[in-house]
Amino acid sequence: EAGVTQFPSHSVIEKGQTVTLRCDPISGHDNLYWYRRVMGKEIKFLLHFVKESKQDESGMPNNRFLAERTGGTYSTLKVQPAELEDSGVYFCASSQVVGGYTFGSGTRLTVV
Amino acid sequence: AQSVAQPEDQVNVAEGNPLTVKCTYSVSGNPYLFWYVQYPNRGLQFLLKYITGDNLVKGSYGFEAEFNKSQTSFHLKKPSALVSDSALYFCAVREISNTGKLIFGQGTTLQVKP
Repeated sequence: EAGVTQFPSHSVIEKGQTVTLRCDPISGHDNLYWYRRVMGKEIKFLLHFVKESKQDESGMPNNRFLAERTGGTYSTLKVQPAELEDSGVYFCASSQVVGGYTFGSGTRLTVV
Repeated sequence: AQSVAQPEDQVNVAEGNPLTVKCTYSVSGNPYLFWYVQYPNRGLQFLLKYITGDNLVKGSYGFEAEFNKSQTSFHLKKPSALVSDSALYFCAVREISNTGKLIFGQGTTLQVKP
């Protein structure tokens, strides 16, 4: 079974630009989660999709972040405009049941 | 509010020695506890979890963790460390909610020296 795929693996953008991260979950997994680790700190929850619906987006830091999951398959996380403090590693995870996670390898975002 | 603490930023051990990476938690109700590992340039990999049952949980790569309810701890252990165990380790607790989101600790870097 293919795992959770994220791309790009790395992205370096300038402050004020837009970046879109993509996550392809394991096929058949209804639950999709986004997490973020800012350098040296804990990994923090951003949001949770069940199929195409946002179940919980309490962790989204502000309205510069927009997550979508069209058709309940892959998900995108757009940051527009990016700020320096958005730098970090963005993880995606999927599961068939709530809490049974498989994580992707992450996207390292650097905003300069 | 639920929380997880990993009191050590870094743990250094010599290869062949036992290792312990500490984790304490604060939850209401029974905790679902996890350990994940991140090797350099890799994603988060599941090591083990405690849901219920035996307090000593065995996981991948020879790791185990001991759930201690009275001390609210879930320390990760391995009897004999390998250089290849050097990585970043995260303890997490699953929130009791419809989301089931994980609350992570800050992470502990394990450095195993030959």
